[in-house]
Amino acid sequence: GDSVTQMEGPVTLSEEAFLTINCTYTATGYPSLFWYVQYPGEGLQLLLKATKADDKGSNKGFEATYRKETTSFHLEKGSVQVSDSAVYFCALINSGGYQKVTFGTGTKLQVIP
Amino acid sequence: DSGVTQTPKHLITATGQRVTLRCSPRSGDLSVYWYQQSLDQGLQFLIQYYNGEERAKGNILERFSAQQFPDLHSELNLSSLELGDSALYFCASSDRGRSTDTQYFGPGTRLTVL
Repeated sequence: GDSVTQMEGPVTLSEEAFLTINCTYTATGYPSLFWYVQYPGEGLQLLLKATKADDKGSNKGFEATYRKETTSFHLEKGSVQVSDSAVYFCALINSGGYQKVTFGTGTKLQVIP
Repeated sequence: DSGVTQTPKHLITATGQRVTLRCSPRSGDLSVYWYQQSLDQGLQFLIQYYNGEERAKGNILERFSAQQFPDLHSELNLSSLELGDSALYFCASSDRGRSTDTQYFGPGTRLTVL
């Protein structure tokens, strides 16, 4: 079945550091890939998405590129802020006719001033 | 604000009881999804509805059921509750339920089973 693997957290960075959160997936067909962010006490918000190979999703300084050859969708940001502290979830939705969503386990990011 | 509303925000009940969680999707969205988030299981997809019909099923227990009504709001019914059902339950909605659609999440209902 489909699966998403994220790097274990928590990740602690200093403000303005470079961020990478690794995400790899296993899926049949051609899934759409997503990064969601969950701030403390809130629901999930879509951060970015990519629906086909080589697409780059970007939002609020975050980027991720859909790499079919390495089955990866790593999240990057050049300079993190304290306000980026949250839990980040990588997810996929398979294109096989119905929308079963598979999430990774989440990676907690803490940015310290 | 995602436009998805969920009620109640918090629910405390006892083992063996039954509860109903309610979700109103964003205006115009036809598809509704339910998720369970717990410390040990992470974020799990439960079920999806599209325009009143069940579209996809995930890790939903037989004690749980859901439906989507003609006005497109949805209810998740949890019965014979166990301690392990304590979790945050999220509802999400999307335009037409396609794999490329963005899902917009509600704030969640926190269920505590004592």
